[in-house]
Amino acid sequence: EVQLVESGGGLVQPGGSLRLSCAASGFTFSSYAMHWVRQAPGKGLEYVSAISSNGGSTYYANSVKGRFTISRDNSKNTLYLQMGSLRAEDMAVYYCARDQGVVPAAIDYWGQGTLVTVSS
Amino acid sequence: NFMLTQPHSVSESPGKTVTISCTRSSGSIASNYVQWYQQRPGSSPTTVIYEDNQRPSGVPDRFSGSIDSSSNSASLTISGLKTEDEADYYCQSYDSSIVVFGGGTKLTVL
Repeated sequence: EVQLVESGGGLVQPGGSLRLSCAASGFTFSSYAMHWVRQAPGKGLEYVSAISSNGGSTYYANSVKGRFTISRDNSKNTLYLQMGSLRAEDMAVYYCARDQGVVPAAIDYWGQGTLVTVSS
Repeated sequence: NFMLTQPHSVSESPGKTVTISCTRSSGSIASNYVQWYQQRPGSSPTTVIYEDNQRPSGVPDRFSGSIDSSSNSASLTISGLKTEDEADYYCQSYDSSIVVFGGGTKLTVL
């Protein structure tokens, strides 16, 4: 069974940093691209970032480019999102998601999400 | 990049059929596969359609997907509506590995 478990969310002040993690199990992690998708309270899904299966290619939404960094450790079956210069508009539930293939295109499994609150 | 536009909300009665549209702003809808995700209140999204019209195992055949090149849009059709189908539905596609989501459609089954 595919499982994606996010962690690392919490309360952070504007301008602060946070690192999210996503522990994957139930599949060969190194064979799939992975995504971070967020959802602000009461809003729709917003693509944040994605990474190819071998970590060689990364992709970012314009809203987070230069502030967030996606990475993965295939030996630990873990996906990361390093978030910096956080703003109020970054407050959201952050979902880790698995792609169907080796490069980002289509999501097939989602985690349960972790809440990031940006407030002073 | 392109945008995907969905109606904000739709409503229909139990047992009826509803169709949710997803229109691509530029580029051909047929160029890249379209996925559909269901998100019930308080839950994570789940995939109900992938690659335009494929259903993951466990998704009932009441759910179907299609694309229409003439209107440059994709559609999710749910037949035999049940109250449990009440949820938000999002379409998604991509171009050069950049993922794009539609704004979501709230389906009310009343």
